[in-house]
Amino acid sequence: DVVLTQTPPTLLATIGQSVSISCRSSQSLLHSNGNTYLNWLLQRTGQSPQPLIYLVSKLESGVPNRFSGSGSGTDFTLKISGVEAEDLGVYYCMQFTHYPTFGGGTKLELK
Amino acid sequence: EVQLVESGGGLVQPGRSLKLSCAASGFTFSNYGMAWVCQAPTKGLEWVASISTGGGNTYYRDSVKGRFTISRDNAKNTLYLQMDSLRSEDTATYYCARHERTNGFDYWGQGVMVTVSS
Repeated sequence: DVVLTQTPPTLLATIGQSVSISCRSSQSLLHSNGNTYLNWLLQRTGQSPQPLIYLVSKLESGVPNRFSGSGSGTDFTLKISGVEAEDLGVYYCMQFTHYPTFGGGTKLELK
Repeated sequence: EVQLVESGGGLVQPGRSLKLSCAASGFTFSNYGMAWVCQAPTKGLEWVASISTGGGNTYYRDSVKGRFTISRDNAKNTLYLQMDSLRSEDTATYYCARHERTNGFDYWGQGVMVTVSS
């Protein structure tokens, strides 16, 4: 199985602060077709996960552009440029280049 | 509007069976792969199983192979998960998700709780 390691496990931020979450894969996520199937999702407390980013850096419809994704191969980053209250929750990276796996999650809380 | 509504969860004894359903609406169900993802209490997300558009191809995580069966009825726009020989470690909220070819799991249901306990 492909293991995705997210850091940090917990992130304390103030409103307006910019933060980053790292996701490292145990194997390359570059598919033979040239795509890298690395996604980011947010799960707010008591809710289902909602997709934010797909193919490393493409924003899902309706996702604010303060979210951005970057990376390649085995190292990926989610950045939030100016945290807002609605951004609080647990962030997961997920890959489906291979059988789908998820990172362990990063909980974003207010400082 | 895309909607995925799971049902069929509950409390079940170890070794018994349970069948989850996921009713889909708002999109052409037969055009999309589908998946089940679980989340144990206070834990992270784990992929359980996936199925192709026509149902001919199915995929499972190792821990459920031989015990769980994913299936679909495209005429009824419904996804299923037959769960046999249940274990305490299967206790979790189970989500169905639409699997878009490029975007991945782009829509999720609200989840259904399965508790395996004597």
